[in-house]
Amino acid sequence: DTGVSQDPRHKITKRGQNVTFRCDPISEHNRLYWYRQTLGQGPEFLTYFQNEAQLEKSRLLSDRFSAERPKGSFSTLEIQRTEQGDSAMYLCASSLAPGPGANVLTFGAGSRLTVL
Amino acid sequence: QKEVEQDPGPLSVPEGAIVSLNCTYSNSAFQYFMWYRQYSRKGPELLMYTYSSGNKEDGRFTAQVDKSSKYISLFIRDSQPSDSATYLCAMLVGNQFYFGTGTSLTVIP
Repeated sequence: DTGVSQDPRHKITKRGQNVTFRCDPISEHNRLYWYRQTLGQGPEFLTYFQNEAQLEKSRLLSDRFSAERPKGSFSTLEIQRTEQGDSAMYLCASSLAPGPGANVLTFGAGSRLTVL
Repeated sequence: QKEVEQDPGPLSVPEGAIVSLNCTYSNSAFQYFMWYRQYSRKGPELLMYTYSSGNKEDGRFTAQVDKSSKYISLFIRDSQPSDSATYLCAMLVGNQFYFGTGTSLTVIP
């Protein structure tokens, strides 16, 4: 297992286009989190899944954002009608619950979005 | 007021110095406290995590938690140029992680 994988690493798009990011967590991890990070800021929570169930979404997550984890393995984060303010690093992290593993997030390298 | 406050720096120290990084928090319900290191254009990687007040040591790194003061610290001894990165504190309550803004550290050879 090579850890948490994210694809693509960098996406450049024009305003108004849709983009999709994929995350493959550590295989035995049942929890998967999405965060957004802008320059000079810490990761900001977007949403998280336990298995295939989306258990929580940030109030900051507009209707243009949707995330899925259809079989409880990989997850996708789609942003529709992108805006320049969506430019950020999108981080995926996973953990194993219950137990002490739930207290530790393992992050992927991130997917950087640039909206022109 | 943010849940977690962290001085963004930047912090610049000579090689071999002792580095002190700090965070304060307002939510007394936070249960677990973590420090992540993030290199430029990479994802954060876990350095240390602790549950209780007191010190936890791992090599050159010491994490300190003072729940009564709502204050956590990370000390780096004998700092190396490879320690140059952004250090993020993080705290957990329930299933939610809250991150500081990160402190940018540069260790000058």
